[in-house]
Amino acid sequence: DIQMTQSPSSLSASVGDRVTVTCRASQTISSYLNWYQHKPGKAPKLLIYAASSLQSGVPSRFSGSGSGTDFTLTISSLQPEDFATYYCQQSYSTPLTFGPGTKVDIK
Amino acid sequence: QVQVVQSGAEVKKPGSSVKVSCKASGGSFSSYAISWVRQAPGQGLEWMGGIIPIFGTANYAQKFQGRVTITADKSTSTAYMELSSLRSEDTAVYYCARAPRELERPYSYFYMDVWGKGTTVTVSS
Repeated sequence: DIQMTQSPSSLSASVGDRVTVTCRASQTISSYLNWYQHKPGKAPKLLIYAASSLQSGVPSRFSGSGSGTDFTLTISSLQPEDFATYYCQQSYSTPLTFGPGTKVDIK
Repeated sequence: QVQVVQSGAEVKKPGSSVKVSCKASGGSFSSYAISWVRQAPGQGLEWMGGIIPIFGTANYAQKFQGRVTITADKSTSTAYMELSSLRSEDTAVYYCARAPRELERPYSYFYMDVWGKGTTVTVSS
């Protein structure tokens, strides 16, 4: 199975900050990397697919980059509604696997 | 716009089984894959398995192999996830999600774009 790691596991940030979350795969996954936002009591929400493609309806302050084994999710200017947990997930092969998550909370 | 509607919360005894349904509303699953993901209290997201209804083929995470069965009824655009031999550690929110497939990889689960609201399964004696 492909193992996914994320860093940091949590971060505190202020509204307007630029936030970067890193994800690493245990083997190359090309660009088969997706990012989700998850808030308590809600369904996960797809933000980015195929490493850098913005899902329809997602604000442009979210962006993704990377290929191979190293990937990044960037929020250019953190908004109040962005406080949540972010997960990366590989779709290169089954079983699909998620990273452990990065919790973004208010400083 | 397609929505995914899941069945309601369940409370089960240890050792029993639970079957959760997931229906496409406003469309169908016909050309998509369906994934099942769970989140136990205080834990992250965990993929349990999935199915591609047009092929009828299911894939399972090794952790759940032998305890989970994922099926789909194409005529009603409904997918099902049955988990047996329940234990307290199976207490979780269970989500289903639609997963588009890549044309070049027909058996793929490219990403999960439409999610159900989740079904809470509580396992308690």
